[in-house]
Amino acid sequence: ETGVTQTPRHLVMGMTNKKSLKCEQHLGHNAMYWYKQSAKKPLELMFVYNFKEQTENNSVPSRFSPECPNSSHLFLHLHTLQPEDSALYLCASSQDRRQGWNTGELFFGEGSRLTVL
Amino acid sequence: AQTVTQSQPEMSVQEAETVTLSCTYDTSESDYYLFWYKQPPSRQMILVIRQEAYKQQNATENRFSVNFQKAAKSFSLKISDSQLGDAAMYFCAYSSPLKAAGNKLTFGGGTRVLVKP
Repeated sequence: ETGVTQTPRHLVMGMTNKKSLKCEQHLGHNAMYWYKQSAKKPLELMFVYNFKEQTENNSVPSRFSPECPNSSHLFLHLHTLQPEDSALYLCASSQDRRQGWNTGELFFGEGSRLTVL
Repeated sequence: AQTVTQSQPEMSVQEAETVTLSCTYDTSESDYYLFWYKQPPSRQMILVIRQEAYKQQNATENRFSVNFQKAAKSFSLKISDSQLGDAAMYFCAYSSPLKAAGNKLTFGGGTRVLVKP
């Protein structure tokens, strides 16, 4: 298994749909992240989880609902999205800084390309 | 808040030649990490090189090297002997090790590198 896997790779949904993005990491990390990558904008941090607890919510609208059932899995539940939410959603993982040696970097998945019609 | 700026939206280089990508950042912290990530068409962000701010020596990884100027808050990436596989988006990123949990990276807007055969 590759380090960080995301499913689905592509998702098209209407504004009234409910869907979920899934992320799984096989690196033994205990911190997981959601980033949003829109065209012509820098990557935006959305959420951070450390040991299943949410430690960062970067003023993300409530139509995005994260879930972290364990340190290896992270979900992003989507409902009543807007067309401007169309973007590449990247999941990443890392060691938590409080748990010893940490190189400071994130390990990314390949992203889920979301299109909201 | 930290900010990262990449002033070159796109750079073109001839195969086997050298290209340098610019990055500047703004921070009031004295200890931090800097990174260059590569994002090829497959979309997965891959770490190219890492620099710890307390280290004066510039990091190198095979054909990739950085010019870290701490006082100027500048962190450029040099790609030597460019290969077709180097064509990608390159992102400069900043991370502070002072934060208690996780690695919250702040990214620049990216530079697209085109390699001409």
